[in-house]
Amino acid sequence: EPEVTQTPSHQVTQMGQEVILRCVPISNHLYFYWYRQILGQKVEFLVSFYNNEISEKSEIFDDQFSVERPDGSNFTLKIRSTKLEDSAMYFCASSAVWSYEQYFGPGTRLTVT
Amino acid sequence: AQSVAQPEDQVNVAEGNPLTVKCTYSVSGNPYLFWYVQYPNRGLQFLLKYITGDNLVKGSYGFEAEFNKSQTSFHLKKPSALVSDSALYFCAVRDQEGAASKLTFGTGTRLQVTL
Repeated sequence: EPEVTQTPSHQVTQMGQEVILRCVPISNHLYFYWYRQILGQKVEFLVSFYNNEISEKSEIFDDQFSVERPDGSNFTLKIRSTKLEDSAMYFCASSAVWSYEQYFGPGTRLTVT
Repeated sequence: AQSVAQPEDQVNVAEGNPLTVKCTYSVSGNPYLFWYVQYPNRGLQFLLKYITGDNLVKGSYGFEAEFNKSQTSFHLKKPSALVSDSALYFCAVRDQEGAASKLTFGTGTRLQVTL
């Protein structure tokens, strides 16, 4: 069964550094999303992406964040200058045109020190 | 704004007994409702959804959920719990407008099934 994959599984970075989290959505899906889950808290929406542009973004997704689909398979989330409070599990998700449910990857645990 | 409430942080049930994990929602218009399960160190796995039609929807691993419009609830149920069902369960709602609409999640309920 097709799956969403994410790399790396764990990323440790120093405050102020740039990080890029990578995702490979399910191949015939056209809608892509990033969510995050701070330890012990609920899953929060960051951004949705369709047709090479952002469809919707939350107040969390400020100028430090950006997303890109650099080729036909990858979908990336970049944090330009990481802060301690960016430490969280970041989930990528994708959905098909014909379905309502989103399929999630296993997540990248980002630790900012 | 859409929201989801999961009033129980944890639900404990003995194996073989029925289980219910509660969820209530608030959304303008008709809701699209979902349940996801998260096992340790894993992503969110889709269990089931309600879009329209029958109020009782069936999903993966023997789970089902009952949509109740008057009570704005979408409780997750299983007739006979297994130890392997122990995990974190999230209820979610999406706005019907827009194909790329975000999911809004509840805070999650930890299900503990014991022998």
